[in-house]
Amino acid sequence: DIQMTQSPSSLSASVGDRVTITCRASQSIGSWLNWYQKKPGKAPNLLIYAASSLQSGVPPRFSGSGSGTDFTLTISSLQPEDFASYYCQQSYSIPFTFGPGTTVDIK
Amino acid sequence: QVQLQQSGPGLVKPSQTLSLTCAISGDSVSSNSAAWTWIRQSPSRGLELLGRTWYRSKWYSDYAESVKSRITINPDTPKNQFSLQLNSVTPEDTAVYYCARGQVIVVAGSSYYYVDVWGQGTTVTVSS
Repeated sequence: DIQMTQSPSSLSASVGDRVTITCRASQSIGSWLNWYQKKPGKAPNLLIYAASSLQSGVPPRFSGSGSGTDFTLTISSLQPEDFASYYCQQSYSIPFTFGPGTTVDIK
Repeated sequence: QVQLQQSGPGLVKPSQTLSLTCAISGDSVSSNSAAWTWIRQSPSRGLELLGRTWYRSKWYSDYAESVKSRITINPDTPKNQFSLQLNSVTPEDTAVYYCARGQVIVVAGSSYYYVDVWGQGTTVTVSS
């Protein structure tokens, strides 16, 4: 199975900050990488698919980049509703594994 | 707007079968671009994709190795829904279970899969 890691596991930030989360795959996965946001008690919400494509309805302050083994999710200006956990997922090979998550909380 | 509505018990005894159903509105279980998926989340295992079923002229399914011997995901075309059965459960199967729609899109000759619609989640506890 492809192992996904994320860093940091958590971070504290303020409204308006630029936030960057990193995801790394244990082998090359091309651009087969998705990003999800999850809030407590809610189902995950798709933000980015195919490494850099913004899902319809997702604010443009979210962006994704990378290919191969290293990927980045960037929030250009953190908003109050962005305090949540973020997960990457590879869809290159079955099983489509998720990263362990990064929690973004208020500084 | 596609919506998924989950139903099923929240408490299952060890060694018994966990059964959940996901009713689809706004799409078809026989869609040629969707893969109907079950995912769970627990503190110990994180987010784990358990399996999928999809229709492309015939029905296909795939399952995570971790549950492959115990899991069945079945479509129900007359009711436009799909189900999860997980046999011989243990407390390790305690988790929040989500049904979801996986989309497969083709970009520049490559197929990409992502989950774009989720059910509301069902907390399932395995305990006697």
